[in-house]
Amino acid sequence: QKEVEQNSGPLSVPEGAIASLNCTYSDRGSQSFFWYRQYSGKSPELIMFIYSNGDKEDGRFTAQLNKASQYVSLLIRDSQPSDSATYLCAVNDNTDKLIFGTGTRLQVFP
Amino acid sequence: EAQVTQNPRYLITVTGKKLTVTCSQNMNHEYMSWYRQDPGLGLRQIYYSMNVEVTDKGDVPEGYKVSRKEKRNFPLILESPSPNQTSLYFCASSSMGNSYNEQFFGPGTRLTVL
Repeated sequence: QKEVEQNSGPLSVPEGAIASLNCTYSDRGSQSFFWYRQYSGKSPELIMFIYSNGDKEDGRFTAQLNKASQYVSLLIRDSQPSDSATYLCAVNDNTDKLIFGTGTRLQVFP
Repeated sequence: EAQVTQNPRYLITVTGKKLTVTCSQNMNHEYMSWYRQDPGLGLRQIYYSMNVEVTDKGDVPEGYKVSRKEKRNFPLILESPSPNQTSLYFCASSSMGNSYNEQFFGPGTRLTVL
């Protein structure tokens, strides 16, 4: 059974700080990695995807991938209260299935 | 406006009464999926479809059926719902086959089976 693991949190960070969200996965054949944001009562929204080892930056968000360690992370710089949400990690091994972690709840306090 | 729509948004039903949750997208996407979301278990894929008349099982297909007769529609059918199918259901679509890098989710359907 392929697994994607995330700490459920909550992760509490002060406004303006860097929030670091982590995800590990069990299938070494995984090729594509995704981060979704889900506000309470809303549907998931794709915010980042990464395929290659290293960092990928998009505005205040940076995704980091280390395939050797089977680890993917999401950094949010200059965290804002509006970033408070649950962040879902998802992994695809180039089959047609997508496996999600259970999500990490982020709280950014003023 | 590009969107994925689901109906109904909320449904309370009883065990054994067949129901259908509709899903429609207006982005001409080939790929559509159904997920359920449960506390502590996260999002789990039920079924997916790579194109018209092509469907396949996800991780938790038991008790569900789907069909893909048209590109835009992907209904989820519960022939005989049971209380363990009480959940929040999301439909999603994407344009890139199995790459998922442009996956849009619908607003969700909250189903309660008594």
